[in-house]
Amino acid sequence: EVQLVESGGGLVQPGGSLRLSCAASGFTFTNYWMNWVRQAPGKALEWVANIKQDLSEKNYVDSVKGRFTISRDNARNSVYLQMNSLRAEDTAVYYCATWGSDGPFDFWGQGTLVTVSS
Amino acid sequence: QSALTQPRSVSGSPGQSVTISCTGTSSDVGGYNHVSWYQQHPGKAPKFLIYDVNKRPSGVPDRFYGSKSGNTASLTISGLQAEDEADYYCCSYAGRSTFVFGIGTEVTVL
Repeated sequence: EVQLVESGGGLVQPGGSLRLSCAASGFTFTNYWMNWVRQAPGKALEWVANIKQDLSEKNYVDSVKGRFTISRDNARNSVYLQMNSLRAEDTAVYYCATWGSDGPFDFWGQGTLVTVSS
Repeated sequence: QSALTQPRSVSGSPGQSVTISCTGTSSDVGGYNHVSWYQQHPGKAPKFLIYDVNKRPSGVPDRFYGSKSGNTASLTISGLQAEDEADYYCCSYAGRSTFVFGIGTEVTVL
């Protein structure tokens, strides 16, 4: 059974940093691109970033470029999102999701809430 | 990277059909046959429903049907059931391994 478990969310002040983690199990991690998708309270889903299996390619939505960094550790079956210079508009539930052979975001974690507020 | 346009809400009675549209541009929906759809119940993670415009992952009922014409994709739910009441999001590949989601549609079963 595929499992994605996010952690690392919490309350942080504007301008602060946070590192999210996503532990994967139940599938061959190195066969999948990994993504982060966020959802602000009461709002739509927004793709944030992704990373290729061999770490050779990383992509970001314009609003987080230069502030967020996605990484992965294939030995630990984990993907991370380092978030710096956080803003109130980054407040959201952050999901990690796979990009499998069937299509993007075929499996999702339960999400972790990030709140940026003073 | 502008969000795809969806109707805010649609509704139907049990057994009826509803269709949700998803309008983008030639840089996303119109440029690729990589439109996917997700169902999200309140407080839950999204569920993968449709990929590559009209393909269903294993386990998704054939009541869910996807299509596309030009810059607009559509999801049709036939034989509407109470459990179909949820938010639905379209998503399109937008080139260079990036994606854009729609604004979401709330489906209400009357």
